[in-house]
Amino acid sequence: GAVVSQHPSWVICKSGTSVKIECRSLDFQATTMFWYRQFPKQSLMLMATSNEGSKATYEQGVEKDKFLINHASLTLSTLTVTSAHPEDSSFYICSVTWDTYTDTQYFGPGTRLTVL
Amino acid sequence: LAKTTQPISMDSYEGQEVNITCSHNNIATNDYITWYQQFPSQGPRFIIQGYKTKVTNEVASLFIPADRKSSTLSLPRVSLSDTAVYYCLVGAPYNQGGKLIFGQGTELSVKP
Repeated sequence: GAVVSQHPSWVICKSGTSVKIECRSLDFQATTMFWYRQFPKQSLMLMATSNEGSKATYEQGVEKDKFLINHASLTLSTLTVTSAHPEDSSFYICSVTWDTYTDTQYFGPGTRLTVL
Repeated sequence: LAKTTQPISMDSYEGQEVNITCSHNNIATNDYITWYQQFPSQGPRFIIQGYKTKVTNEVASLFIPADRKSSTLSLPRVSLSDTAVYYCLVGAPYNQGGKLIFGQGTELSVKP
């Protein structure tokens, strides 16, 4: 399967600042990546679908101006949390679609964001 | 999108076989069934995927009856390191507009 990395693995920031999270597909050219958010003791929630060279598709209820997604190459997608607030504190996970015919996805290790 | 129902939690002991059943009564013709494992503070890990009948790999087996309205993940001889949350997902391939929608998952606790 695909190997996916995320950077940073954890980040602490002050309220009002912006934080960028990187997702890299290390051994696979991913035209599509996905971003999820997971709060403690809860399941993963799909935030958006990131397509290389085009605008991301956001799920209902996810603010596109707050969660900026850039998929500039086949191996890198970035998620920027703008003007972060404590309620944005969460575990952010990206994934890549390995097989578009079966939708098998491989996930990154996740990034823990804590907003003070 | 098909909705899935799994037990919230299960307990087992080392060396036992564990079977986790997932109900997906509204599964569509194009939907695949996929199981993921997640440890705390880690991304989910792909375990197994199937469309119908039985699928087996080096870590698990997946049993899917003919009507495809349920599926059972079978973990042979579990160990303490199998303690994790297991998610059953049902959806169409991405190239047909599908996307992964996670349910609540099953928290498996393996005891010595």
